[in-house]
This record gives sequence, structure tokens and C-alpha cells, in this order.
Amino acid sequence: NAGVMQNPRHLVRRRGQEARLRCSPMKGHSHVYWYRQLPEEGLKFMVYLQKENIIDESGMPKERFSAEFPKEGPSILRIQQVVRGDSAAYFCASSPRRGEGYTFGSGTRLTVV
Amino acid sequence: AQSVTQLDSQVPVFEEAPVELRCNYSSSVSVYLFWYVQYPNQGLQLLLKYLSGSTLVESINGFEAEFNKSQTSFHLRKPSVHISDTAEYFCAVSDGSNYKLTFGKGTLLTVNP
Repeated sequence: NAGVMQNPRHLVRRRGQEARLRCSPMKGHSHVYWYRQLPEEGLKFMVYLQKENIIDESGMPKERFSAEFPKEGPSILRIQQVVRGDSAAYFCASSPRRGEGYTFGSGTRLTVV
Repeated sequence: AQSVTQLDSQVPVFEEAPVELRCNYSSSVSVYLFWYVQYPNQGLQLLLKYLSGSTLVESINGFEAEFNKSQTSFHLRKPSVHISDTAEYFCAVSDGSNYKLTFGKGTLLTVNP
């Protein structure tokens, strides 16, 4: 049973490009959470999704960021028109039930040049 | 709103020495408390958690943490550290929603031979 799979592990984008980060939850997990870790900071909650639904997006920046978790396929965190300040590690976690049995992926490290 | 304060950003110790990583939190509601460990370029792994019951919780690799409600603390301790314990340690708190974790900024534990 593979863990939470995130890809790519490293992503380099030029300012103004789009970044797409993927997260495949553990088998049997239908709850997905995205967190962002800025340099020398702790992880900050961004969004909580269940299949096809956004439950809580209170941590998402108002512009340029969006997330989805379709019925089929991985969850996607999309950042449009990236800026240098978006450079961070983005972690996804999944759980079988709301908030229970959280498992984190290894993260995607986004660098904006 | 909740917050987590990890008082030490870096803790260098010698192998086989005891260590304590401090964590204080603030919350207006009952909380669940967690310690996560992050090895270089990896995701977060749950080390131990306090949900209810005994205030002293232990992990399988010799770490323990004690929930102190009056001091709003959840310090992590190990009586004798190994080189392999070198990592970043994050304290986190979750409120009654049980899905949104608030993390501290982390403590880098470096174990030297």
C-alpha cells in the first residue's frame, strides 16, 4: 500500500508561468489536505477537500491559487502566474476519515526563478 | 485562533545526551497535540500524539511528550539521543475540527558524535 504520492518532487517555474502540483492519496483515503511550508516556517494549512468538494479553503490565497479533487484521479493544486514568493514546499496529506489518521506525502518543492 | 510556539529553533546535542524540545500552545478550546519529525527532503512523519487520557504519550523510538494543560505545554523529551535522531521536529495543535493542524516553526535537532 503506497503512501501519499506527490509529484513532481521538484518543480522549477519562471515568474508568470503556471504550476500544477499533484497528490494521490493513500488507497481508501477520500480526504485530502494541502499545506505550504515557507522557508524557516512551519507548515500552514491551505485547503481541505473531499472527493469533488472543497470543504475548507480558508488558508488559500484569494488569487491565483486553486485546488480540486476530482472523482477520478489525483488532487491538483494549481498556482497561476507564479511569483517568487510562491517558492515553498507544498505538502499534501490524506486521511480515511475527516481529520483522522493523517498521512503526509514527501512534498513538492517549488522554486520560482 | 490557535498558535504554537517552539521556543528553540536549533538544538545541538551530543550523542547519548538527553534532550528536550519545547512547545507551548494557545487555544480557546480543547486541543489535540502532535509532534511530527521531518528528515531532510522528506515529508512529515507522525512521532506521537495526545488526544485524551494519559497526559504522557510515548513513541516507539524512545521519545515521549507530556501534555500539561496548566502550562499549555507539550514538550518532547528523549533520555538518550542517537545520530539518527537528527531532523527537524514540529509541534502541532488541532482544534475540535480535528482536521486543521496549526504548526510551530520547528526545532532543528542536531546530534553530534
